[in-house]
Amino acid sequence: GAVVSQHPSRVICKSGTSVKIECRSLDFQATTMFWYRQFPKQSLMLMATSNEGSKATYEQGVEKDKFLINHASLTLSTLTVTSAHPEDSSFYICSARDVGGTFPTDTQYFGPGTRLTVL
Amino acid sequence: AQKITQTQPGMFVQEKEAVTLDCTYDTSDQSYGLFWYKQPSSGEMIFLIYQGSYDEQNATEGRYSLNFQKARKSANLVISASQLGDSAMYFCAMREGEGDNYGQNFVFGPGTRLSVLP
Repeated sequence: GAVVSQHPSRVICKSGTSVKIECRSLDFQATTMFWYRQFPKQSLMLMATSNEGSKATYEQGVEKDKFLINHASLTLSTLTVTSAHPEDSSFYICSARDVGGTFPTDTQYFGPGTRLTVL
Repeated sequence: AQKITQTQPGMFVQEKEAVTLDCTYDTSDQSYGLFWYKQPSSGEMIFLIYQGSYDEQNATEGRYSLNFQKARKSANLVISASQLGDSAMYFCAMREGEGDNYGQNFVFGPGTRLSVLP
């Protein structure tokens, strides 16, 4: 299966600082990547869809000015949590769509996740 | 309304026994895909198995098989010969709605935590 990496795996920061999380597709090109947020013991919640070369599409209730997404190349998307606060502490997971498949078989391959703790 | 329902928040199974994790879904589309993912304590989401709505045979991948009952809209995951390493959260997901809204149309259930006992 396709491999997606995510960096860093764990980050602790002070309130008010910004944190950048990288998501890379290692062995395939991903025109579309997705960012999810997962609170403890809950399912994944889609935050935004990251499209290479264009603006991200945010889900309702997600602040686009707080969660900045950049998809500058076919293998890299970044999520920047700006002015982080303790309530932003969560597990952030990215995924990339395997565009080699066709509907409805094209699955998502996930990165290992980033655990963000804001003090 | 919930698109994916997993009614078992937690399950226990004895090592080497089989276990079935339930998943029911709701869609009006004729063409859709069903997926199962495993999330161990490390957090990574591991793709396990896929079932297409038009597939007549149940999908199998090693120890994983999917009991697909289309009329009941259920897609239960069966794990045979459970191993200690199978202890994890398991998420059922569905892909519906061909088109550009891929992310929005790939929805996850609430998950089932499976614990394999030695």
